[in-house]
Amino acid sequence: DADVTQTPRNRITKTGKRIMLECSQTKGHDRMYWYRQDPGLGLRLIYYSFDVKDINKGEISDGYSVSRQAQAKFSLSLESAIPNQTALYFCATSDQDWGDSYNEQFFGPGTRLTVL
Amino acid sequence: AQSVTQLDSQVPVFEEAPVELRCNYSSSVSVYLFWYVQYPNQGLQLLLKYLSGSTLVKGINGFEAEFNKSQTSFHLRKPSVHISDTAEYFCAAREETSGSRLTFGEGTQLTVNP
Repeated sequence: DADVTQTPRNRITKTGKRIMLECSQTKGHDRMYWYRQDPGLGLRLIYYSFDVKDINKGEISDGYSVSRQAQAKFSLSLESAIPNQTALYFCATSDQDWGDSYNEQFFGPGTRLTVL
Repeated sequence: AQSVTQLDSQVPVFEEAPVELRCNYSSSVSVYLFWYVQYPNQGLQLLLKYLSGSTLVKGINGFEAEFNKSQTSFHLRKPSVHISDTAEYFCAAREETSGSRLTFGEGTQLTVNP
């Protein structure tokens, strides 16, 4: 089984609808992230969480909200979807840093969201 | 604030040819640098990373990258590519004080032709 899973993998919705994207991980990591990927723009950070009680905005959080239900689960919500939120969304996890080391981020397979 | 620029959006090459994917970064503090690869319809996976020490780092699948502080670059190279290397490649940076947040470049689509 995959270490980082995302549901759904594909979703088509209409403008104004509320959408929730879910992410689960079995790696035991404390840190979780949500990114969106747009062609020519790379990945941009939406929200990140360093533990269940620590949630932070990324560079493009407007129009999004998140919920960290447990160490293993981190959900992204679009309260009222709009067409320019059409993108590929990735969840990622990482372990805590230890001293000068950096632990890589592990990515889920992505959710392709289309807002009509 | 840091930024990462990948200088080529698309790089077509023939099989067994060498390839270099270019990445430049800007930051006012020390950074850690990464290359990720995204195969079609998959998430990203780490190719290699530079944290400190030797400026030449080796990664998986025969890739390597060289950190050049004076030119603020972290170019990715492979001496001989295969069809299976066709993918999108992302350069990313993390500032020492950013709390593990990554800033990604725009991505470079590498297409290896027979």
